[in-house]
Amino acid sequence: AQSVTQLDSQVPVFEEAPVELRCNYSSSVSVYLFWYVQYPNQGLQLLLKYLSGSTLVKGINGFEAEFNKSQTSFHLRKPSVHISDTAEYFCAVSDRIGGGADGLTFGKGTHLIIQP
Amino acid sequence: DAGVTQSPTHLIKTRGQQVTLRCSPKSGHDTVSWYQQALGQGPQFIFQYYEEEERQRGNFPDRFSGHQFPNYSSELNVNALLLGDSALYLCASSSQGPGELFFGEGSRLTVL
Repeated sequence: AQSVTQLDSQVPVFEEAPVELRCNYSSSVSVYLFWYVQYPNQGLQLLLKYLSGSTLVKGINGFEAEFNKSQTSFHLRKPSVHISDTAEYFCAVSDRIGGGADGLTFGKGTHLIIQP
Repeated sequence: DAGVTQSPTHLIKTRGQQVTLRCSPKSGHDTVSWYQQALGQGPQFIFQYYEEEERQRGNFPDRFSGHQFPNYSSELNVNALLLGDSALYLCASSSQGPGELFFGEGSRLTVL
């Protein structure tokens, strides 16, 4: 069984400031890791994913995340945020045993609030 | 190219009733997954369909059932609705393997 903990339910940040959204996971097997974004009244959109290789992953809209196996973390970062980044962000995992074709386990989400 | 489409977008039911939600996957995708997202929570995996069979199931009761058709579209059925079934139901499609899930905008179900 897997679980995902997003440590902050809400993160307020000033426009053009850097931001980090924290994600820790627990799993008895190796995992694939994902970050999704959900804008109001919309479905989820993939920001980035870690499957293998380099632990620093770059995604869309200037976001990046770093996989840290020893700390079981996959924190999301952006060096300079914009008003349009206001949204709900979800961290998710799936286990490798099923080839990654299994259902995702999501965290509860972090609401990123950009202040002008 | 249309993405994942879901219908209806909103619906209201009363306790004990049954509901059917529909999903058309993104073109080229053969796998459909369903998720339940309660207000203020992350999505929870209900089940996944591949080749018209339920491939994997999350921790949901048998009141939740589904179907996948030969054209890869899918339905989610919920029987004997409870107030706690009120949520946004998300459909996601993908190809096999650890690729990207493409989500629809969801069907918001309210149970009164």
